Amino acid sequence: NAGVTQTPKFRILKIGQSMTLQCAQDMNHNYMYWYRQDPGMGLKLIYYSVGAGITDKGEVPNGYNVSRSTTEDFPLRLELAAPSQTSVYFCASRRTSGRSDEQFFGPGTRLTVL
Amino acid sequence: DQQVKQNSPSLSVQEGRISILNCDYTNSMFDYFLWYKKYPAEGPTFLISISSIKDKNEDGRFTVFLNKSAKHLSLHIVPSQPGDSAVYFCAARRRMEYGNKLVFGAGTILRVKS
Repeated sequence: NAGVTQTPKFRILKIGQSMTLQCAQDMNHNYMYWYRQDPGMGLKLIYYSVGAGITDKGEVPNGYNVSRSTTEDFPLRLELAAPSQTSVYFCASRRTSGRSDEQFFGPGTRLTVL
Repeated sequence: DQQVKQNSPSLSVQEGRISILNCDYTNSMFDYFLWYKKYPAEGPTFLISISSIKDKNEDGRFTVFLNKSAKHLSLHIVPSQPGDSAVYFCAARRRMEYGNKLVFGAGTILRVKS
């Protein structure tokens, strides 16, 4: 199992550009999440999904969009990049049931908007 | 509003001694607590968790204590090893209508000196 994979690892965008951060998991997890981590801060939830076709906003959704057409993939879209979106982005997934809320994280995408 | 706080940004401990990482929370609706460990350039990985109905959970060198009345939890690592050097995040689970959400603290950098 590759677990949770994210591409790209690094990206530099100019203000106003768009991009899609890719996330895929091969564990057949229904729940998937997107977080951002700013320096000195904890992870903030951007969007999450409880299954294919179902998504919902987290704490900081403004400036982002998501889609979930398959169980495996959960891409995050930035339409008009702004410097405030400079951050490290983590995708995570977890099983629907289980004894804990353990989430499995990808290695992250470091995004810089200039 | 920081619902989960890790007030110590960093902690330095000698190899073989005990490391104690602290976490405070404000929301009494949290019903499950998790600790994640993060190495540089990697995603967080699950370490240990505790349900709000318990006051202690142990897994090898790692023990988490929960004091519900004080809204405080702590992670004890005994004995500390150089490989434990990482960022440790405390997270609290909040049950939602669709899926659960984790709220993360800002993290504590642990350095174990050999």
